[in-house]
Amino acid sequence: DAKTTQPTSMDCAEGRAANLPCNHSTISGNEYVYWYRQIHSQGPQYIIHGLKNNETNEMASLIITEDRKSSTLILPHATLRDTAVYYCIVRSPRYSTLTFGKGTMLLVSP
Amino acid sequence: DAGVTQSPTHLIKTRGQQVTLRCSPKSGHDTVSWYQQALGQGPQFIFQYYEEEERQRGNFPDRFSGHQFPNYSSELNVNALLLGDSALYLCASTEALQETQYFGPGTRLLVL
Repeated sequence: DAKTTQPTSMDCAEGRAANLPCNHSTISGNEYVYWYRQIHSQGPQYIIHGLKNNETNEMASLIITEDRKSSTLILPHATLRDTAVYYCIVRSPRYSTLTFGKGTMLLVSP
Repeated sequence: DAGVTQSPTHLIKTRGQQVTLRCSPKSGHDTVSWYQQALGQGPQFIFQYYEEEERQRGNFPDRFSGHQFPNYSSELNVNALLLGDSALYLCASTEALQETQYFGPGTRLLVL
């Protein structure tokens, strides 16, 4: 799987949009971008994934650049419960297993 | 619709002992993966089971073994426990064709 680069930590004010960047410059054409988050001491929670097109669901939006070398996860109205470690993962379509990095610690403050 | 469940939630063992952790996949899922998460690190892939066979394996020693039952539930066994095996052990399941993994709450193992 291609490696990803994420900032170690980010801050966001409650009610504002949280934009979490991820670089994956070595991504292959058939590899997906996945986002998970992990609230302290809980199992990772699936958020969203995409291949080429932007994606949106009830939790977040995923914006993938045209060259697919980077992406941004957007939480439109962050709440205190969104405080977590966010993992950006590039996954081969051949295998469902995930290679986690250290992720971004997002702190949402009042 | 039950999600992925794991048991026990917490476990304390001593060095040299053996441990068995259990996982029930999400309803409709037939593939189970196990991950180890040390403190402050991201989860690391141990192995994956499909149709009762180990389908993929990460970089873990043979002390780590597993099993999948006909009802798709799975066990992770660790022999000759080391202090460094202390971690959160996560189980994830997927519907084979869908491939998105869903994680359970984990089992916290402490080796003394």
